[in-house]
Amino acid sequence: DAGVIQSPRHEVTEMGQEVTLRCKPISGHNSLFWYRQTMMRGLELLIYFNNNVPIDDSGMPEDRFSAKMPNASFSTLKIQPSEPRDSAVYFCASSSHPAGLYGYTFGSGTRLTVV
Amino acid sequence: AQSVTQPDIHITVSEGASLELRCNYSYGATPYLFWYVQSPGQGLQLLLKYFSGDTLVQGIKGFEAEFKRSQSSFNLRKPSVHWSDAAEYFCAVGAQNNNDMRFGAGTRLTVKP
Repeated sequence: DAGVIQSPRHEVTEMGQEVTLRCKPISGHNSLFWYRQTMMRGLELLIYFNNNVPIDDSGMPEDRFSAKMPNASFSTLKIQPSEPRDSAVYFCASSSHPAGLYGYTFGSGTRLTVV
Repeated sequence: AQSVTQPDIHITVSEGASLELRCNYSYGATPYLFWYVQSPGQGLQLLLKYFSGDTLVQGIKGFEAEFKRSQSSFNLRKPSVHWSDAAEYFCAVGAQNNNDMRFGAGTRLTVKP
């Protein structure tokens, strides 16, 4: 298995633009998690899905953030409009356990810079 | 809800020396405990995990960790560090009755030649 695949690896965009981050989880993993990593706040859980259904989005910072999982092999995290404070590394992780209690497999992340 | 603390922000050890990274957790019941490693520009990789049973768990890359309930700790150890072990290490705690995996702030390991 190629692991969790995220794209793009790097994204630089101007404030106000729409940004879409993509994730392909490991085949057979039925839970998917989106995290954001910054120096100030560390790793923060934004949202997670179980069997393609969003279970908890309480970590999504505000309405500018949205996430979808249209099928078991694809998820997107969208920021519209983007702001400089959204600059961070965004990770997608998948797990075969609903709460990740067997451990996560992380993707390599998307480094987002909003200027 | 559970929480986790990694007291050391940065540790430097010499190559070949032993290593211990500290992790303390707070949770009323038996926690699910994890150690992850993050190399620069990469995602986190699972080193080892503890659910129950033997309190000394072995992981990948020669790492081990010991669960000590009396001290609420889950420290990571390696008898002899290699230069390639330089990375950021994260402890995490999960619980069966909620879906809130908590990560520590991380400990950055530097290995001196």
